[in-house]
Amino acid sequence: DAGVIQSPRHEVTEMGQEVTLRCKPISGHNSLFWYRQTMMRGLELLIYFNNNVPIDDSGMPEDRFSAKMPNASFSTLKIQPSEPRDSAVYFCASSPRSEQYFGPGTRLTVT
Amino acid sequence: AQSVTQPDIHITVSEGASLELRCNYSYGATPYLFWYVQSPGQGLQLLLKYFSGDTLVQGIKGFEAEFKRSQSSFNLRKPSVHWSDAAEYFCAVGTYNNAGNMLTFGGGTRLMVKP
Repeated sequence: DAGVIQSPRHEVTEMGQEVTLRCKPISGHNSLFWYRQTMMRGLELLIYFNNNVPIDDSGMPEDRFSAKMPNASFSTLKIQPSEPRDSAVYFCASSPRSEQYFGPGTRLTVT
Repeated sequence: AQSVTQPDIHITVSEGASLELRCNYSYGATPYLFWYVQSPGQGLQLLLKYFSGDTLVQGIKGFEAEFKRSQSSFNLRKPSVHWSDAAEYFCAVGTYNNAGNMLTFGGGTRLMVKP
């Protein structure tokens, strides 16, 4: 099993640009989570899906952030427009029932 | 709402010494409890989990944790630390319902290992 796959692993972009982060969960897992990790705020849950349906997006910081899960094997997190304060490591995790399995993360730098 | 506290932000131990990382949780029902480890530049890796039954659970890499309901604790232990154990450790409490599982993480404990 390849585990949770995230792309890109690193992204550097300029303020105002659109950023799209991608995630492929582990096959058969029915829940998917997006987290953001910074030194200041630690690990924050942004949104999670169950059976491709968004369940809780209360952690999404503002309307500039959006997430989709068009099918069971793919999800995106989009930031438009990006700002320097969005710089962080973004993790995707998937879960079959209780424990979560994390991807390697995408390190986003917005200049 | 559930919460997790890891009182120690940093811990330094000598290689070969024993280790205990503290975790306290707040949750109204029987919790699902987890420990994760994050090496620099990596994602979080599941070390062990507790759902029910035996309160002493064994995990990967020689780690174990003990659930103590009376103390609302789930401390992580290892009898002899290796230099490769230097990483950040996260305790988490999980809630599970028909909509899936959510984890609430503690702030993490960074472990440094002296040679």
